[in-house]
Formats: sequence, structure tokens, C-alpha cells
Amino acid sequence: AQTVTQSQPEMSVQEAETVTLSCTYDTSESDYYLFWYKQPPSRQMILVIRQEAYKQQNATENRFSVNFQKAAKSFSLKISDSQLGDAAMYFCAYRSDHTQGGSEKLVFGKGTKLTVNP
Amino acid sequence: NAGVTQTPKFRILKIGQSMTLQCTQDMNHNYMYWYRQDPGMGLKLIYYSVGAGITDKGEVPNGYNVSRSTTEDFPLRLELAAPSQTSVYFCASSYPLEPYEQYFGPGTRLTVT
Repeated sequence: AQTVTQSQPEMSVQEAETVTLSCTYDTSESDYYLFWYKQPPSRQMILVIRQEAYKQQNATENRFSVNFQKAAKSFSLKISDSQLGDAAMYFCAYRSDHTQGGSEKLVFGKGTKLTVNP
Repeated sequence: NAGVTQTPKFRILKIGQSMTLQCTQDMNHNYMYWYRQDPGMGLKLIYYSVGAGITDKGEVPNGYNVSRSTTEDFPLRLELAAPSQTSVYFCASSYPLEPYEQYFGPGTRLTVT
């Protein structure tokens, strides 16, 4: 079974600075998808960024980018120019490619609480 | 589109009571999911469905039941509520094709006392 590990329970960053959140995963599959979700105090789960394992290029979405290292099974999230609104829990998630026989389910890490200091 | 809606937002149950958490999506998604989130933890999958009439167990199904009679609705039934079921429950849905993004409802906070 796949597992997702977020080794940083809490992180903090100064406003306008850059922070990197870590995520590692364990899988024997070659095709899969990785996601970062943000959960602010409102509890709403919001997709931040996604990465297809077959794509070598790292995904970017405005101030958010990933460092995807497939061989190392690492998927870190970099937030540039941090803003107060970025304060939230961030969850890393893994999804198999069900067209290759994998599961349709998302497997989540335990999350990293990000604090942004003014 | 309203997206994924859940009712109620909050509920307090006594031990042994039963209730149904409602979930509806208007995006015509085939896949729907129920998760629970305990304090300080990530989301754990309770049940999921890949289409009307098809459901399957997730990681923590004990104490719950689901049904999927329509594409839009995926209710979660709690029978004989126990304190261990105190949690926040999220419903989600997704397309069966890339990019497989799951869209989440706002959650239901359930307390069993």
C-alpha cells in the first residue's frame, strides 16, 4: 500500500519570504499523481498544485511550485513571496493511475501547519 | 455550480443514536468519496463510489454505511454512534479522467457524547 509522509508537523515563514514543505511517498507504481492541498481555518480543502509522475517538468502555479524527484520519491512544495493568506494546513496526497490497475483513492499525509509571520 | 455541498455543518449526537450525513455534487462526477479527519491528522477514506450503484470500503469503514442511488448523491450513514466517531467528515467528488482533482465539500463537524 502507498504511504505519504510529511516530516514537518509545523513550519513558519516571514511574510514575503520563501518556504519549502517536504513530502515523501512510498510506492512501487510507475504511474501516479501527486497533489498539494491547502486547508485554511475555514476547513475547506483547496487544491494548490498537482503533478503527473510521467511529466519530468515540475509543476508551477503562480507563487507555488514543486520539486518532484521521482527516483527519490520526493515531492516538496515551495511557496514564494509568502502572504498572510497562505497560513494553513498543507496536505500532500498520492493517487494511483487507476487505468493501470491502481486505486482511485487519494492517500494523504498528516499535514504541515504553516504559520506566516508579519 | 454549487460544487459539493454537505449537510449539516455541525451536529451533536448522543452515544447510540444514528444519523445520515448528506452529500450532493452538481458537477456530474462519477467518483465520490467520504473522508474523516481527526484532530492533527490527515484525511482517512471511509467509503468511495465509482458510479451509481457501486460502492467500496476505504481505510476506516467500520461503523458506517453508504449508498449511491444517483450520480449526484452519496449519503453516509452512522449507525449506533460512538465517541470514536467524533470527527470532521468531508465528502469529495472527481472525474474518472485526468487530472483526477478531488473537489471537497465544506465538511461536517460531528461530536458524539
